[in-house]
Amino acid sequence: QKEVEQNSGPLSVPEGAIASLNCTYSDRGSQSFFWYRQYSGKSPELIMSIYSNGDKEDGRFTAQLNKASQYVSLLIRDSQPSDSATYLCAVHSGGYQKVTFGTGTKLQVIP
Amino acid sequence: GAGVSQSPRYKVAKRGQDVALRCDPISGHVSLFWYQQALGQGPEFLTYFQNEAQLDKSGLPSDRFFAERPEGSVSTLKIQRTQQEDSAVYLCASGVSNTEAFFGQGTRLTVV
Repeated sequence: QKEVEQNSGPLSVPEGAIASLNCTYSDRGSQSFFWYRQYSGKSPELIMSIYSNGDKEDGRFTAQLNKASQYVSLLIRDSQPSDSATYLCAVHSGGYQKVTFGTGTKLQVIP
Repeated sequence: GAGVSQSPRYKVAKRGQDVALRCDPISGHVSLFWYQQALGQGPEFLTYFQNEAQLDKSGLPSDRFFAERPEGSVSTLKIQRTQQEDSAVYLCASGVSNTEAFFGQGTRLTVV
C-alpha cells in the first residue's frame, strides 16, 4: 500500500464547477497535510495546509481533513481554466522529517 | 533572494560522470529538503537538513548520492558515477519548519 494515494485522473470539470480532489494516507500518526499545485514543467507550489479535523477555506479553495478516515480532500469552487494542473497531496508524519507526496491528480478545467 | 534558486536548470551528463546540483534557499529558512521527481510521479524525498545538520538521508537511493549544507545556507547534491536511472528533476525546497516547504524551479538531469 502506498503511503499517500491519489487518483491520477485526469479529472475533467467544466468552467465554473466545483472540482473535488481526494487523497488517502496510510500512517495514522500523520500530523500535517498539504496540497501543492504543479503546472506542467514547473515546480510544486504550496496552496493549502491543514493540521486539524474539519474544513479550512482560503478563497476558492477548501481543504477538508478527516483523520479517523485517513482522508484529506481539496475543493476548488468556480473552477477556472487556469486551475488546470496536477494537484499533489503531501503528508507529514510526526517524528519523521520527510513529507511524503502522492503521485498527483491531473485536473482539466474545460472552458 | 525572493525564492529558492537552483542551478543549473538543465544538466546533461554522460553515464559515469559526476554532477553537482546547487540549491540557494530562501534567506533565514532553517529547513532544506531535496526531492527527486520522475516524469508523471510525485516528488520522492531524498534528504533533509536543519541548518547544517543532515537529520534524515533515508531517501538517498544509493551511496552514489551525497548532499551537504556546510554553513546552513546553500546546499549541494552530488551524484557520482551517474546512471541512466538517475535522470529526473531534482527539486530543492526550504521552509521555516520541517513541514511547509517552498520549492525551487528544479534541475532537470538527463544522463545519456
